[in-house]
Amino acid sequence: AQSVSQHNHHVILSEAASLELGCNYSYGGTVNLFWYVQYPGQHLQLLLKYFSGDPLVKGIKGFEAEFIKSKFSFNLRKPSVQWSDTAEYFCAVKNTGGFKTIFGAGTRLFVKA
Amino acid sequence: ETGVTQSPTHLIKTRGQQVTLRCSSQSGHNTVSWYQQALGQGPQFIFQYYREEENGRGNFPPRFSGLQFPNYSSELNVNALELDDSALYLCASSYDPTSPGNTIYFGEGSWLTVV
Repeated sequence: AQSVSQHNHHVILSEAASLELGCNYSYGGTVNLFWYVQYPGQHLQLLLKYFSGDPLVKGIKGFEAEFIKSKFSFNLRKPSVQWSDTAEYFCAVKNTGGFKTIFGAGTRLFVKA
Repeated sequence: ETGVTQSPTHLIKTRGQQVTLRCSSQSGHNTVSWYQQALGQGPQFIFQYYREEENGRGNFPPRFSGLQFPNYSSELNVNALELDDSALYLCASSYDPTSPGNTIYFGEGSWLTVV
């Protein structure tokens, strides 16, 4: 069965620090990959997605993620975080042609001003 | 703003009761999926409706059921509520769930508390 593993449940950073959130998935076929963000009191929003092509995907608010097929990974990065990036981040995977999107448990990021 | 609207936003039910949650999908979307998000966890897939038919289900018991209407809005029904059903219930809509470019867009959710 498909699964998604997010390595860090809680991350605390100071403003301007660099961010990398780990995500690994288990599925042997072709996948679509997503990062969603949930700001306090708001709904889940799409941050970025990968379907095909360039494995380095750029999203909103300066975020990017790299798909490494050999490692079944899709890590999220941002060179310099801001206080407003405080949120919960969810990695998700969907097998191409499948019907459901599977989510990881989430990583709570707190950025100190 | 995704255009996916859910109601009610919050509700409290007693164990053993039944609840109906509602969702209006984003314009142009024909697929609705429902997720349960318990505190501290990621969204768990309940089921999906595509053109009024259930076309996928997660590991939830039959007391979780749903409907999709001709206008592609949807309902989630939960019978015989248990305390562990307390969670945020998320509706997400999309177009053509099997297309390579398919992305789901979430509503704000319905907070259900079972006491």
